[in-house]
Amino acid sequence: AQKVTQAQTEISVVEKEDVTLDCVYETRDTTYYLFWYKQPPSGELVFLIRRNSFDEQNEISGRYSWNFQKSTSSFNFTITASQVVDSAVYFCALSEAKDSNYQLIWGAGTKLIIKP
Amino acid sequence: SQTIHQWPATLVQPVGSPLSLECTVEGTSNPNLYWYRQAAGRGLQLLFYSVGIGQISSEVPQNLSASRPQDRQFILSSKKLLLSDSGFYLCAWSVRIRSEAFFGQGTRLTVV
Repeated sequence: AQKVTQAQTEISVVEKEDVTLDCVYETRDTTYYLFWYKQPPSGELVFLIRRNSFDEQNEISGRYSWNFQKSTSSFNFTITASQVVDSAVYFCALSEAKDSNYQLIWGAGTKLIIKP
Repeated sequence: SQTIHQWPATLVQPVGSPLSLECTVEGTSNPNLYWYRQAAGRGLQLLFYSVGIGQISSEVPQNLSASRPQDRQFILSSKKLLLSDSGFYLCAWSVRIRSEAFFGQGTRLTVV
């Protein structure tokens, strides 16, 4: 069975601090995809990144970086020098590339509060 | 570029009334389409997905149904709303079944 765990329900930091959001997944498949989405207060889900299970290189995009560790089944997300606009709920998700059936498993989300 | 439109943004409906939420995608052909529900502002629950016109897969038994009358149109319906149908409904599309999905702005439904 697949599972995505975001153990941090809520994180609160002061602006300019670095913050890491954890994501741990479970899957029996060797081919899968991992995603991160941001949901600001407006409600719309914003796609941030997709990672293939065969690509373990870390990704950096501006102040955002992602650390994919297959050995620990983790796909953590770090925001450097956080800003108030980063305040949102962040979701991690997992999809197996096994058959034609769609199956995207979502974590429960981590609410990130950036205080000015 | 591709865009997704979802309406209405908010909706207050009495128990027992019908529901129709519409979602359209522009700028792409034969997208995969999805309806999600988000209760209590947190976890996402996949309700339906469609890989083509008239092809609907239901993930959760419920009081809702979905239809795809046109390639880029996805409709979520109910004949009689229940209080438990309240929530935030999100439509999404993707190019392939396992590629990243792009979401609409959502519909906040309150059943009273």
